[in-house]
Amino acid sequence: QKEVEQDPGPLSVPEGAIVSLNCTYSNSAFQYFMWYRQYSRKGPELLMYTYSSGNKEDGRFTAQVDKSSKYISLFIRDSQPSDSATYLCAMSAPPGGTSYGKLTFGQGTILTVHP
Amino acid sequence: GAVVSQHPSRVICKSGTSVKIECRSLDFQATTMFWYRQFPKQSLMLMATSNEGSKATYEQGVEKDKFLINHASLTLSTLTVTSAHPEDSSFYICSARLGGGGEQYFGPGTRLTVT
Repeated sequence: QKEVEQDPGPLSVPEGAIVSLNCTYSNSAFQYFMWYRQYSRKGPELLMYTYSSGNKEDGRFTAQVDKSSKYISLFIRDSQPSDSATYLCAMSAPPGGTSYGKLTFGQGTILTVHP
Repeated sequence: GAVVSQHPSRVICKSGTSVKIECRSLDFQATTMFWYRQFPKQSLMLMATSNEGSKATYEQGVEKDKFLINHASLTLSTLTVTSAHPEDSSFYICSARLGGGGEQYFGPGTRLTVT
């Protein structure tokens, strides 16, 4: 079993739809949670960064972390064709552990928003 | 803020030669940088952790004599692929960690093609 599981999709939605992306994880030591967007042939771009459980909103993006269920989500409201990309969840452990600082990634979800 | 650059963005070299890739944090100091490799349609694979002023830590299966990493300053890390072979052709991406938390900012990537 992988430490982080992410549905690879692909996911295709019409413009304006609400998109829900999810990851589950097994390592209870993870405390930092991130969502990255990666366009083809580009480096990942940090979209959201959250620490521990809770919600965080930034514009059209909302990140949710539920540590009790080991489940994180990214919601995209009013999706646009420019949101078409691969979305990667990533997480890491806090200082003190051997895995501190290293990101463990999900497999990535390919999203297409069509006009 | 939190911008990471990489140079070159694309390089083609002959088998047996060496190639150096630079990773710079432009607007922050990074004591720790990371080097990843990404194959088409796959997630990022961590190759090594680069700490300023000390030796890099390589992931299992990564040849440290083939992939030389130097982190001589708080804003620059370099990856040298020595005696490159066609199987080294890949997309190489660096990241820099901001502060003491888990968030990492990625460079735009370098596409290496070995002929």
